[in-house]
Amino acid sequence: DGGITQSPKYLFRKEGQNVTLSCEQNLNHDAMYWYRQDPGQGLRLIYYSQIVNDFQKGDIAEGYSVSREKKESFPLTVTSAQKNPTAFYLCASTESPDRGQPQHFGDGTRLSIL
Amino acid sequence: AQSVAQPEDQVNVAEGNPLTVKCTYSVSGNPYLFWYVQYPNRGLQFLLKYITGDNLVKGSYGFEAEFNKSQTSFHLKKPSALVSDSALYFCAVRDAGYSTLTFGKGTMLLVSP
Repeated sequence: DGGITQSPKYLFRKEGQNVTLSCEQNLNHDAMYWYRQDPGQGLRLIYYSQIVNDFQKGDIAEGYSVSREKKESFPLTVTSAQKNPTAFYLCASTESPDRGQPQHFGDGTRLSIL
Repeated sequence: AQSVAQPEDQVNVAEGNPLTVKCTYSVSGNPYLFWYVQYPNRGLQFLLKYITGDNLVKGSYGFEAEFNKSQTSFHLKKPSALVSDSALYFCAVRDAGYSTLTFGKGTMLLVSP
């Protein structure tokens, strides 16, 4: 089955530590996105990429970094500069945002502070 | 700029009754509008979209939404609610000149037996 796989499902970060969240898709989608979800705040865009080797900051990029070396992979690193990283992180992809195609979502990674 | 508002944090409805979850939007151009549903500890699932054409859009699981340009609204509706419809619902908008979606804060739908 085609879809988006996020791993791990749960992740714990120690103070001063960087952690990387994995997002892999086998839908052959060009565009990929990372969102942060906090209770009562909806989804906020962290980073997005519309093509391999290119990505753009979203609304809340500070303290995060990404790479897009392969079409199917878009990992997110939560750096130690992100002082409040506890949240539910969602990865999404879409074939063609310009044609109004919907985004497909993974099942998320829940990040907590130890 | 593009924005979307979901004015109700929670909607309560009895099983078998019709339900409406409200969404209003603001864009400078023509909107692409979407509804998604989220169950606990899961990702978002696409329900339906409006791009152009008929103002009444039908989607998955018996849901539909009506695009109203004059009221800048895109309310989600279902004629007869099920307990299994209880979930968090998100409206999202994309202005034709933007590359990304803007999501509302979500509305929790609770359907009682």
